[in-house]
Amino acid sequence: DIVMTQSPLSLSVTPGQPASISCKSSQSLLQSDGKTYFYWYLQKPGQSPQLLIYEVSSRFSGVPDRFSGSGSGTDFTLKISRVEAEDVGVYYCMQGMHLFSFGPGTKVDIK
Amino acid sequence: QVTLKESGPVLVKPTETLTLTCTVSGFSLSNARMGVSWLRQPPGEALEWLAHIFSNDEKTYTTSLKSRLTISRDTSKSQVVLTMTDVDPVDTATYYCARVYNTLAFDSWGQGTLVTVSS
Repeated sequence: DIVMTQSPLSLSVTPGQPASISCKSSQSLLQSDGKTYFYWYLQKPGQSPQLLIYEVSSRFSGVPDRFSGSGSGTDFTLKISRVEAEDVGVYYCMQGMHLFSFGPGTKVDIK
Repeated sequence: QVTLKESGPVLVKPTETLTLTCTVSGFSLSNARMGVSWLRQPPGEALEWLAHIFSNDEKTYTTSLKSRLTISRDTSKSQVVLTMTDVDPVDTATYYCARVYNTLAFDSWGQGTLVTVSS
């Protein structure tokens, strides 16, 4: 099974400042079709998770452009260019290369 | 508008079988490249994927729970059902269903249903 790890596990950010979360997979997520099945989700307090980024770097409908995803193979990064108060919650990375598996989550709060 | 809604018991006793239903609207379970997964989240813990059913009725399960899970669907009722046998208190969690559309994994989620396993 593919294991996902994230760092840091918690992050406290000043509004308006950037933030970055790293995610690593135990094996390459590059599929034979040329696509990389890697995703980012945000679970705001008391809510269901919501899709932010799919296939490494594509923003889902309605996601602000301050969110960006990058990476390849086994190493991926989510960046928030300027954190806003509404961005607090737990961020999860997930792979869909073989079945599905999530990282442990990174809790983001505001200083 | 795409919606998913989970339903099932709030409390289940250890060793019993848990049956959860996901009722969807705004899309058809038989549409190509459409699928539905069940996931769960124990209180204060991370998300865990459990099972998935594809539009062609193919099913996949998480390795660790494969022997205890069965996913099925009733396209006429727009429902996806998950059964989990021999539940234990560690299965206490909020259970979610979520849609997969083509390569958009889990683009829509239900509100979740909290299931407590306790005698």
